[in-house]
Amino acid sequence: AQKVTQAQTEISVVEKEDVTLDCVYETRDTTYYLFWYKQPPSGELVFLIRRNSFDEQNEISGRYSWNFQKSTSSFNFTITASQVVDSAVYFCALSEANYGGATNKLIFGTGTLLAVQP
Amino acid sequence: NAGVTQTPKFQVLKTGQSMTLQCAQDMNHNSMYWYRQDPGMGLRLIYYSASEGTTDKGEVPNGYNVSRLNKREFSLRLESAAPSQTSVYFCASSERTSLITSGYTDTQYFGPGTRLTVL
Repeated sequence: AQKVTQAQTEISVVEKEDVTLDCVYETRDTTYYLFWYKQPPSGELVFLIRRNSFDEQNEISGRYSWNFQKSTSSFNFTITASQVVDSAVYFCALSEANYGGATNKLIFGTGTLLAVQP
Repeated sequence: NAGVTQTPKFQVLKTGQSMTLQCAQDMNHNSMYWYRQDPGMGLRLIYYSASEGTTDKGEVPNGYNVSRLNKREFSLRLESAAPSQTSVYFCASSERTSLITSGYTDTQYFGPGTRLTVL
């Protein structure tokens, strides 16, 4: 069965600190995708990144970076030099690859609330 | 290009009342979804529609019905609302975006949500 665990319920940091959000997943498939979404206080869900199970290269986008390690079934998200605007709930999600015509379903973790204090 | 839109943004119902949540997307996506978000539980899939004319149950379908009216619109109906259905409801749509070996996945884009309270 698929499962996504975000053990950190809430994290509080001071602006300019680096912070890492953990995501651990379970799946029996060898081909799958991992996602991160951001939910700011305004409530909408914003897509941040998608990675497939064959690509373990770390990815960096500005102050955001993602570390995918199949050996530990983890897909962690690091924000460097955090800012108040980074305050949000962050969700990690998993979907298995689709070989047919049906659509994929996302399995979400319970989210991590990040509070960045000025 | 508005993306995914949902109406209403807020709604208060009394137990037993019915209502329909509307969702529309202008990205020409084939697949659409309804989720509910509850504190400490993340997002859970209620129903989804892989393509126009098809709908399937997700993880928590009880108490809900859906209609894929056309490619753009996917509505969620509560026939007899219960306090347990107090939640934030999100609609999403997806495009098939990635192909690895012989498998592929969809990236889902979400609407702004509807906050529903059932008294």
